[in-house]
Amino acid sequence: ILNVEQSPQSLHVQEGDSTNFTCSFPSSNFYALHWYRWETAKSPEALFVMTLNGDEKKKGRISATLNTKEGYSYLYIKGSQPEDSATYLCALNTNAGKSTFGDGTTLTVKP
Amino acid sequence: EAQVTQNPRYLITVTGKKLTVTCSQNMNHEYMSWYRQDPGLGLRQIYYSMNVEVTDKGDVPEGYKVSRKEKRNFPLILESPSPNQTSLYFCASRTTWAGNTEAFFGQGTRLTVV
Repeated sequence: ILNVEQSPQSLHVQEGDSTNFTCSFPSSNFYALHWYRWETAKSPEALFVMTLNGDEKKKGRISATLNTKEGYSYLYIKGSQPEDSATYLCALNTNAGKSTFGDGTTLTVKP
Repeated sequence: EAQVTQNPRYLITVTGKKLTVTCSQNMNHEYMSWYRQDPGLGLRQIYYSMNVEVTDKGDVPEGYKVSRKEKRNFPLILESPSPNQTSLYFCASRTTWAGNTEAFFGQGTRLTVV
């Protein structure tokens, strides 16, 4: 079983703060890394798929970077809004069907 | 509308009574997968299927069975449910088994085994 770790486990910020969290994985097992946003009582939704070392992806105020050599990815949220409150999951995918998820970072943005 | 549909959404059952959770997708996706989510943990993969009649174990397959007789459906079967299978279950599909394809998730099934 691959070990995918996310930190911190939870985060409370004020509206307007920028924040970031980390996903760490064994660099020797890398094929693709996915970030998902999961709101309470809903399904996880895909944010980014990252495959290349040095990849940077952006969607509005959310962006992500990838370092496959050292085995980590960062997710950044600029100017957090209450609607950004959710659990953010990362998942390491092999090229043979397996997906290993981290335990998630739960973000709460206070108005 | 492109979607992954799970049924039922909520289920309370008794220990040992066989049950099936259905999953269907309308996107012609080759790859489908089942996960369970427990408090404080991320999603853990139970089984996956790279195509029709091709299934394989994920990280936590014990106590579960699956079948993939047609492309759109991937049911999860609990032959003899036990209380430790009380969990939130998600089905997901992807265009192909390639790890760089985006996953689409169903709405989830909350199962309680008493």
